[in-house]
Amino acid sequence: EIVMTQSPATLSVSPGERATLSCRASQSVSSNLAWYQQKPGQAPRLLIYGASTRATGIPARFSGSGSGTEFTLTISSLQSEDFAVYYCQQYNNWPLTFGQGTRLEIK
Amino acid sequence: QVQLQESGPGLVKPSQTLSLTCTVSGGSISSGGYYWSWIRQHPGKGLEWIGYIYYSGSTYYNPSLKSRVTISVDTSKNQFSLKLSSVTAADTAVYYCANFGGSGIFDYWGQGTLVTVSS
Repeated sequence: EIVMTQSPATLSVSPGERATLSCRASQSVSSNLAWYQQKPGQAPRLLIYGASTRATGIPARFSGSGSGTEFTLTISSLQSEDFAVYYCQQYNNWPLTFGQGTRLEIK
Repeated sequence: QVQLQESGPGLVKPSQTLSLTCTVSGGSISSGGYYWSWIRQHPGKGLEWIGYIYYSGSTYYNPSLKSRVTISVDTSKNQFSLKLSSVTAADTAVYYCANFGGSGIFDYWGQGTLVTVSS
């Protein structure tokens, strides 16, 4: 199976600043990479698919980039509601696999 | 908009079978086009995809759980179900049902249900 590795495990950023989260795949997943946001007690919510396409209703401050094995989620100006856990997921190969998550916390 | 809701026992004894059902509203499983999945999340941990079922009954299970997992569908009730046999404490998790189109991107999720394995 493809192993997804996210870094860092925890990221401390001040509101209004930029956050950059990384995701690496153990082998190429092309652009078949999605990002999800999860808040405490809630199910994950789709943010980005196709590595860079925002899902419906997702603000423009969220952007994704990368292909192959290296991917990045950038949040350009952090709002209070953005502090959460973020997961990447590959859908290029079965089984579908997720990264272990990056916790974005308020600095 | 499609909505999913998990239901089932919150406590299961070790060695027994965990059984959960996901009820779908706002869309029909039998209309096709979507794959109906189970995903779990161990306490404070990441997400693990368990498998999917299509309305026709075809399934795919994560090899890590394949020997213990059965996913079934009841199109007349617009539900699909998960059975996980021979559970241990390591199966304690929040279990989510979710769906994806042909791509593998999870569009809609249930709220999740915590299942604890304990005697």
